Amino acid sequence: DAGVTQSPTHLIKTRGQHVTLRCSPISGHKSVSWYQQVLGQGPQFIFQYYEKEERGRGNFPDRFSARQFPNYSSELNVNALLLGDSALYLCASSLGGQGNQPQHFGDGTRLSIL
Amino acid sequence: EDKVVQSPLSLVVHEGDTVTLNCSYEVTNFRSLLWYKQEKKAPTFLFMLTSSGIEKKSGRLSSILDKKELFSILNITATQTGDSAVYLCAPAYSGTYKYIFGTGTRLKVLA
Repeated sequence: DAGVTQSPTHLIKTRGQHVTLRCSPISGHKSVSWYQQVLGQGPQFIFQYYEKEERGRGNFPDRFSARQFPNYSSELNVNALLLGDSALYLCASSLGGQGNQPQHFGDGTRLSIL
Repeated sequence: EDKVVQSPLSLVVHEGDTVTLNCSYEVTNFRSLLWYKQEKKAPTFLFMLTSSGIEKKSGRLSSILDKKELFSILNITATQTGDSAVYLCAPAYSGTYKYIFGTGTRLKVLA
């Protein structure tokens, strides 16, 4: 079975641009969460979606937005990119939405802002 | 403020050694604590702990949670070079998938 897949794997943008990152969860998983990981730190929670509804949001500015589609895949959008947005963006999926099963992570999208 | 502290930050051992990694936390509405192993990219799930005092084991790895003292430990016995990685602990809030990750412990196992 395929794990969590993310695209693209790498991306280079310049300040002020917009980016869309994509995630396909494990088959049967209905919850998708997004995390930002900068070098030397643990992942920081951005969003959780379950059944196409936002169920949680971390301390990120409104430039960050996301959505989940009927097939449970998800997109993370970031507007007006800043140098500090350079990071590994991880997507994780799980069966339910209540936090009682573990999340499984994709390999991430490495975003570099010039 | 919710926080997670992992120690040590880094560790260098030789193959065959036993290591203990620590995770202390302060999280409101705590539900569970998870351990992940991160090598190059995706964190890989190791354990999910919800009850105090019940040890979970998987091969040479084991973990236990103390909900009264708010900490967890991850033990790795007979370490191998393939155990070299960053080990992350993440308490989870009740009712959501919001995890608070620590900065991790970087383990390097020398042959």
